[in-house]
Amino acid sequence: AQTVTQSQPEMSVQEAETVTLSCTYDTSESDYYLFWYKQPPSRQMILVIRQEAYKQQNATENRFSVNFQKAAKSFSLKISDSQLGDAAMYFCAYRSTLYGGATNKLIFGTGTLLAVQP
Amino acid sequence: NAGVTQTPKFQVLKTGQSMTLQCAQDMNHEYMSWYRQDPGMGLRLIHYSVGAGITDQGEVPNGYNVSRSTTEDFPLRLLSAAPSQTSVYFCASSRDFSTSSPLHFGNGTRLTVT
Repeated sequence: AQTVTQSQPEMSVQEAETVTLSCTYDTSESDYYLFWYKQPPSRQMILVIRQEAYKQQNATENRFSVNFQKAAKSFSLKISDSQLGDAAMYFCAYRSTLYGGATNKLIFGTGTLLAVQP
Repeated sequence: NAGVTQTPKFQVLKTGQSMTLQCAQDMNHEYMSWYRQDPGMGLRLIHYSVGAGITDQGEVPNGYNVSRSTTEDFPLRLLSAAPSQTSVYFCASSRDFSTSSPLHFGNGTRLTVT
């Protein structure tokens, strides 16, 4: 079974600086999707960025980018020019591309709580 | 466009009581699902549906029932609430059950069982 591990329960960054959140996963599959979700205090789950495993190019979305290392099964999120609004819980998630069963099921890590200091 | 709407936002139950968490989406999505979020455990899949009339179990289905009589609605029923069901519940939907369809989440229901 696939697992997702986020080893940093909490992180802190100064406003305008860069921070990297770590995520590792375990799978025997060769094709899959990886996601970062942001959960602010409002509780809403917001998709930040997604990466398809067969694409070697790292995904980017404005100030958010990932470092996807398939062989190492690592998927870290870099937030550049951190803003106060980036303060939230961040979840890494995995989704299989295999059809059947609970397809579209997301397997989540335990989250990293990011604080942004003014 | 309301997206995925969950009601209520908060609920307190006594052990043994029953209730239904409501989830509705207005995007004509085929796929709908329920997750629960517990501290230190991320989100875990409870039940899911790939279309009206079709439901199936996820990782943690015990104590919960679902039905999907319409495309729009996917209620989650707790028949006899237990303290272990204290959690935050999220409903999520996607256009279909292909893995390329992103999941859209509701804002969650915080349930406390005393």
